[in-house]
Amino acid sequence: RKEVEQDPGPFNVPEGATVAFNCTYSNSASQSFFWYRQDCRKEPKLLMSVYSSGNEDGRFTAQLNRASQYISLLIRDSKLSDSATYLCVVNRPGSSASKIIFGSGTRLSIRP
Amino acid sequence: DTGVSQDPRHKITKRGQNVTFRCDPISEHNRLYWYRQTLGQGPEFLTYFQNEAQLEKSRLLSDRFSAERPKGSFSTLEIQRTEQGDSAMYLCASSPGEGYRDAYEQYFGPGTRLTVT
Repeated sequence: RKEVEQDPGPFNVPEGATVAFNCTYSNSASQSFFWYRQDCRKEPKLLMSVYSSGNEDGRFTAQLNRASQYISLLIRDSKLSDSATYLCVVNRPGSSASKIIFGSGTRLSIRP
Repeated sequence: DTGVSQDPRHKITKRGQNVTFRCDPISEHNRLYWYRQTLGQGPEFLTYFQNEAQLEKSRLLSDRFSAERPKGSFSTLEIQRTEQGDSAMYLCASSPGEGYRDAYEQYFGPGTRLTVT
């Protein structure tokens, strides 16, 4: 089992819809969590950090559920420009170094 | 442009040749990371530096791979005796590092796409 897992999708939703996807992690020592978006053949770009209390940035809401070991990303009023792959990142600090693990990504396609 | 830059953007090489990539991080960032990404997968962590110290290397980083960050600024990733399986996008990222609120928020460069023929 992978340490960080995402549903690969694709999620195909109409413009204006609300869409949500989760990312599960297996190591309870994980401490930092992030969502990135990646457009085709481009580098990942930081979308938002995920804080314990949850956080919102415009149409995007990220939440952390430590008990069930997952993070979520909710996109409201989706736009065509939201079409991308969304990567979750889990950072598990260790005694001598940190370990950063990316999920394989969830593909989102917004249709007109 | 004050973002992360990488050079070259594309590299085609023959199997067995050595290649070297360069990454220039955001200037005030202490941490620098190298990743490898293949189609349909998320980036795979290779190694990272805190200033000039290489703090961790993934088991993916075989003996043919070496990375340096001699002055704590730019970094190089060298692959010796390239194999076809090394074909991938090599991404560099930087983050502020310990002591900053956004310590682990990474900013990526555009990547170097390596093709080994």
